[in-house]
Amino acid sequence: AQSVTQLGSHVSVSEGALVLLRCNYSSSVPPYLFWYVQYPNQGLQLLLKYTSAATLVKGINGFEAEFKKSETSFHLTKPSAHMSDAAEYFCAVRGRGSYIPTFGRGTSLIVHP
Amino acid sequence: DAGVIQSPRHEVTEMGQEVTLRCKPISGHDYLFWYRQTMMRGLELLIYFNNNVPIDDSGMPEDRFSAKMPNASFSTLKIQPSEPRDSAVYFCASRGTEGSPLHFGNGTRLTVT
Repeated sequence: AQSVTQLGSHVSVSEGALVLLRCNYSSSVPPYLFWYVQYPNQGLQLLLKYTSAATLVKGINGFEAEFKKSETSFHLTKPSAHMSDAAEYFCAVRGRGSYIPTFGRGTSLIVHP
Repeated sequence: DAGVIQSPRHEVTEMGQEVTLRCKPISGHDYLFWYRQTMMRGLELLIYFNNNVPIDDSGMPEDRFSAKMPNASFSTLKIQPSEPRDSAVYFCASRGTEGSPLHFGNGTRLTVT
C-alpha cells in the first residue's frame, strides 16, 4: 500500500523568500518519489524525481527535494521564490513493482510581490 | 517529442449527450492512464492500459464511462450519457520504462450543463 500526505493546501510566500512544500509518504516497498507542477490550464509537469540514487535531488527551475527515509519525507524547497513559481504542486509516490503512482492532494503556492 | 496530445481542450455539452475525449500518448510509451481532476476529489485515476490492454478500471465511476485503446497511439474516454457531475478536467498521461515518470497532456475541460 502507498499513500501521500501534503501538509497545507495553500502556502504563501513573498518573492525572494524560501519555498518549502511538505510531502510525507508511506510505502510498503522502496519508493519512487516525484514532484510535479501544474500551471493554470495545463497538465502536470515533472519537476524532479527520486529513484534511489542521491538522496538530494535537483530539479528544474531551481527546485530540489531531499529523500529522508527515517522521516518518510520528500519535501520540496527553493531558496528564493519567483512570481513565476505560483502554481499547484503535487507530490507522488510509486512503490517499486507498482504501476500506479499515488498523488497527494496538491499544494497551491502563492507568491506575493 | 510532441508530448501527450489531448483533444478537444474544451468541451461544453448538454446533459444526456455523448462525449468522447481523445488522447495520443508519447511514442514508445507502453502505459497510458486516464485521470479526472476536480476541486472536491483532486486527481482520480480512472483507468490505465498496458500495451493497449486495460489493466485496472476500478476507478471508472459508472457504466456510463468507457475507455478504449485500439492501438498504441490512440485512446478514447467516452461518457454516455453525460451528467453535470461529470464536469471536470480529464487528463491523459503516458509512461515508459520502470522508474520513469508520467507525462501528462494538457487536459480536456469538460462542462456538462
